This record gives sequence, structure tokens and C-alpha cells, in this order.
Amino acid sequence: GENVEQHPSTLSVQEGDSAVIKCTYSDSASNYFPWYKQELGKGPQLIIDIRSNVGEKKDQRIAVTLNKTAKHFSLHITETQPEDSAVYFCAISGGSNYKLTFGKGTLLTVNP
Amino acid sequence: DAGVIQSPRHEVTEMGQEVTLRCKPISGHDYLFWYRQTMMRGLELLIYFNNNVPIDDSGMPEDRFSAKMPNASFSTLKIQPSEPRDSAVYFCASSYDRDQETQYFGPGTRLLVL
Repeated sequence: GENVEQHPSTLSVQEGDSAVIKCTYSDSASNYFPWYKQELGKGPQLIIDIRSNVGEKKDQRIAVTLNKTAKHFSLHITETQPEDSAVYFCAISGGSNYKLTFGKGTLLTVNP
Repeated sequence: DAGVIQSPRHEVTEMGQEVTLRCKPISGHDYLFWYRQTMMRGLELLIYFNNNVPIDDSGMPEDRFSAKMPNASFSTLKIQPSEPRDSAVYFCASSYDRDQETQYFGPGTRLLVL
């Protein structure tokens, strides 16, 4: 079955610095790679996603890069702000079965 | 739109009792998912429905768990009898077929079984 490893499990940065979270996966059939942000006491919310025919996607301060050959994808947050503090999850999906497999999450803390 | 609605938000019950969690998906969404989140196991998919029909229940831990979707706007996840190891946050999510895998999560139900 599908498996996804997420690193690091915790990340602490100073406000204004960049943060990078990386996920690796094993199933080469995976073709959809979303990132979710979960704030305390809330459900995960989609922040950005990428499909296998694209290498990079950007939305303001966040970007996702995908390396299908190496089977890894990363979330990049630039100019971090305290409100970016949350748990971030990567996920993968293998096409039409609509099942997402999630990584274990990264607790990001942005220190003012 | 109000988003995915779940009730109750918090539930405390005693071991052996029946627990019913409820979900109202976003109107017009074709898919509904139930997840369980714990520190040890992270986010796990329990079951999902397409057009009210269960498609994959391979994540349901055991026969004590059951899920139904009697119509497009309502689903339940039932645990009977409940056990302390069922304590977790249970999320419902829904998606629209045209968006394919983009899932929208509800706020979750925090369940504590004593």
C-alpha cells in the first residue's frame, strides 16, 4: 500500500525565516500531493496541492516542489509569521480512488 | 457555505456505551470520508462513501465500528460498544468529484471513552 514519510516532526524558526518540510513516498503511481494545515482544535485545511505533471507550484508565501524521480515533495514557507504556527500534513493519492494517505505531521512554531 | 458540520464537538462516555458521531457534508459534494486522528497513529482513513454508497471500509478497525449514509446530507459513525482505545478525534471530510482529491474537513469530534 501507499506509505509517506514526513520530516521533520517538529520545526522551530524565527519570524521572517523560511521553513521547509519534506515528504517521501514509495508508490510510484501516486499522482496527487496536497498539503494541509491544522490549527489547534480545528480540522486540517488544504493550503496547496500539486499534481504529478507539474514540478513546482507557488501561492504567495507558500510553494510546493515535486521530484517524481526521487519520490519526494516539499513545502516551502517564506517570510514566516507567527500565524503560520500549526501542524502541517503532507498527503498522497494514487489517482481515481480518492483515498489520501497522510504523513505524521510537522509541528511548526514561528517565534516572534 | 457553512462547510462540513460535525456533532457533537466533544463526547465523554463510559466504556461499553454506544457512541454516535454525526456529519453533514458540504452541499453538492459527492464523497464523504471518516478519519480518526491520534498521536500514535496520526490521521487514518476509516471509510469513505461516494453518492451515499460505501466504497472502501478497509480502515474500519473492527466490527464495533459502523458507518451509514442514508442520504446525501447526513452520515453517522457508530461505535458499539466503545472502549478506551477508541478515544481520539474523529473527522468527517467531503469532496466534489470535479475537484477530485481535494477534501474539506469538518472541525472534528473529540471522543473520550473512560
